[in-house]
Amino acid sequence: GAVVSQHPSWVICKSGTSVKIECRSLDFQATTMFWYRQFPKQSLMLMATSNEGSKATYEQGVEKDKFLINHASLTLSTLTVTSAHPEDSSFYICSARDRDQYYEQYFGPGTRLTVT
Amino acid sequence: AQKVTQAQTEISVVEKEDVTLDCVYETRDTTYYLFWYKQPPSGELVFLIRRNSFDEQNEISGRYSWNFQKSTSSFNFTITASQVVDSAVYFCALSIPNRDDKIIFGKGTRLHILP
Repeated sequence: GAVVSQHPSWVICKSGTSVKIECRSLDFQATTMFWYRQFPKQSLMLMATSNEGSKATYEQGVEKDKFLINHASLTLSTLTVTSAHPEDSSFYICSARDRDQYYEQYFGPGTRLTVT
Repeated sequence: AQKVTQAQTEISVVEKEDVTLDCVYETRDTTYYLFWYKQPPSGELVFLIRRNSFDEQNEISGRYSWNFQKSTSSFNFTITASQVVDSAVYFCALSIPNRDDKIIFGKGTRLHILP
């Protein structure tokens, strides 16, 4: 089956620093990737939709200058949390839509970010 | 606008009991997909099922079964003879194809199976 990886699986950083999270589709090409954020005991909230070669589309209330998304290739999207603060601590999950099987979307294992 | 409601925040049942997780959705689109995902303590989402709006047949997969009823906009999930390993958070979700394909999640139901 299709696999989506995320790196790192967990990260601890100091307040004010930036953190980059990678999302890769390992055995398929993804024209679209989605980034979600999940706070403890809450649901997944879509942050942004990332299309290969174009700017990401952010959901209302998500600061695009704080959460930088780059989708430079058909297998890689990155989310950079800039100037992280403790309130950015969360579980970040990406999903990737298979270019060849349009309706199939696969989720990565998630990245747990802790900002101290 | 689309919306998914999982009214049961948390459920506890004793092992071997059957349990049904409720899901009610809202959309004006006639073409849509419904999903169920399982999220164990590890955090990784496990895909359970996808159902399109034109297929109202109920689905059974081992101890899992799903009841899709368009008349009540519901897509309920039943676990038969529950096991401790079924303990997890279960999310019902909805997406609209050919528009933005965003998956909209319900708030989830935390299921505790007690030994």
